[in-house]
Amino acid sequence: SQQGEEDPQALSIQEGENATMNCSYKTSINNLQWYRQNSGRGLVHLILIRSNEREKHSGRLRVTLDTSKKSSSLLITASRAADTASYFCATDASNDYKLSFGAGTTVTVRA
Amino acid sequence: EPEVTQTPSHQVTQMGQEVILRCVPISNHLYFYWYRQILGQKVEFLVSFYNNEISEKSEIFDDQFSVERPDGSNFTLKIRSTKLEDSAMYFCASRVDQSYGYTFGSGTRLTVV
Repeated sequence: SQQGEEDPQALSIQEGENATMNCSYKTSINNLQWYRQNSGRGLVHLILIRSNEREKHSGRLRVTLDTSKKSSSLLITASRAADTASYFCATDASNDYKLSFGAGTTVTVRA
Repeated sequence: EPEVTQTPSHQVTQMGQEVILRCVPISNHLYFYWYRQILGQKVEFLVSFYNNEISEKSEIFDDQFSVERPDGSNFTLKIRSTKLEDSAMYFCASRVDQSYGYTFGSGTRLTVV
């Protein structure tokens, strides 16, 4: 299966702390994307990292990609209560053009 | 910022009834998708659509499902005879081409009773 798998499943941190979550996948990819989903709501695209990129930043988000290990990480720095959500990695495989989602990491930021 | 718009936001239907979920993708996007998320589970791919035809579909997308782009702006998902297990959040997505990220709509929560 191409699906990304996130780790940990759940994460609880204090406001101001950093949150790190990881994603592993199985086959070659064109890119890997991270999405946020607030409870019962839609998917919000956060960041896309291409297979030839190793690191990407967007505001308080930092994404790394290690294609040799088939893994990615998402770091949220200086977390806020509003960052409370589920975070999903999704892989865009080399041999097809659909996203395969992982099960997600549920992040709770305590005020 | 351009959005993908989905209607309705929530639909309740009786088992066996037909439902049509509607989506308006971003106007210059060329690739369109439907995904679904059963409560508490992963987001699953249903179907992709390009150049007025289905480019790929999953095993979930059986004969009960169909998609259409009837007028060049709307993109619809029809379920002909709904089952209880079709209850899920259905997401429409579009992108300008295959090297870009997706823009997802806010979803339609379908409840089959």
